[in-house]
Amino acid sequence: NAGVTQTPKFRILKIGQSMTLQCTQDMNHNYMYWYRQDPGMGLKLIYYSVGAGITDKGEVPNGYNVSRSTTEDFPLRLELAAPSQTSVYFCASSSPGLKNIQYFGAGTRLSVL
Amino acid sequence: AQKVTQAQTEISVVEKEDVTLDCVYETRDTTYYLFWYKQPPSGELVFLIRRNSFDEQNEISGRYSWNFQKSTSSFNFTITASQVVDSAVYFCALSEAITGTYKYIFGTGTRLKVLA
Repeated sequence: NAGVTQTPKFRILKIGQSMTLQCTQDMNHNYMYWYRQDPGMGLKLIYYSVGAGITDKGEVPNGYNVSRSTTEDFPLRLELAAPSQTSVYFCASSSPGLKNIQYFGAGTRLSVL
Repeated sequence: AQKVTQAQTEISVVEKEDVTLDCVYETRDTTYYLFWYKQPPSGELVFLIRRNSFDEQNEISGRYSWNFQKSTSSFNFTITASQVVDSAVYFCALSEAITGTYKYIFGTGTRLKVLA
């Protein structure tokens, strides 16, 4: 039972570099979410998707992009990384038919220096 | 607007003490869901409980219990006879149902330290 898998676990970027955070789930959940967690703060929603081909902005979308070409995958793209994007990123998935409980990946710790 | 407040930033208790973590929420929706998650030092988020707005029954699961009171918009979490392994950050979250997106609004978390 893999659940929600995020790669990489850790990454250091230089200012201005780009990268893609990968997220895959094997539970056939329609809904997927990306959050960021800053020290001492709760999780803030970056983007979400209610199904393949459908994405929408969350609370803090600036500087990020997403795509959802399949049910399983929901990659998060950072363009022109900035120090303000230093954070821990969590991907989650859920299914409204399963009480919409969100199941989280292990997180990606990203530092932008 | 929806909001979740966890006013207790950090709590320290001695092992075997009982501890209650507070969660107060705001929403104008009549149908909503409340959750608690645990984030141990290893960093993952572990689901603990879900409660819908129509079910005010309290729940007990081993040493954990939850008190949901719509009248005070609170969903508090009590750990009885705390153990060192309970040391973690605990998050309360609110999910609305009206838009069908089931997005979560998280509180800022309460860090619980259980001392041996």
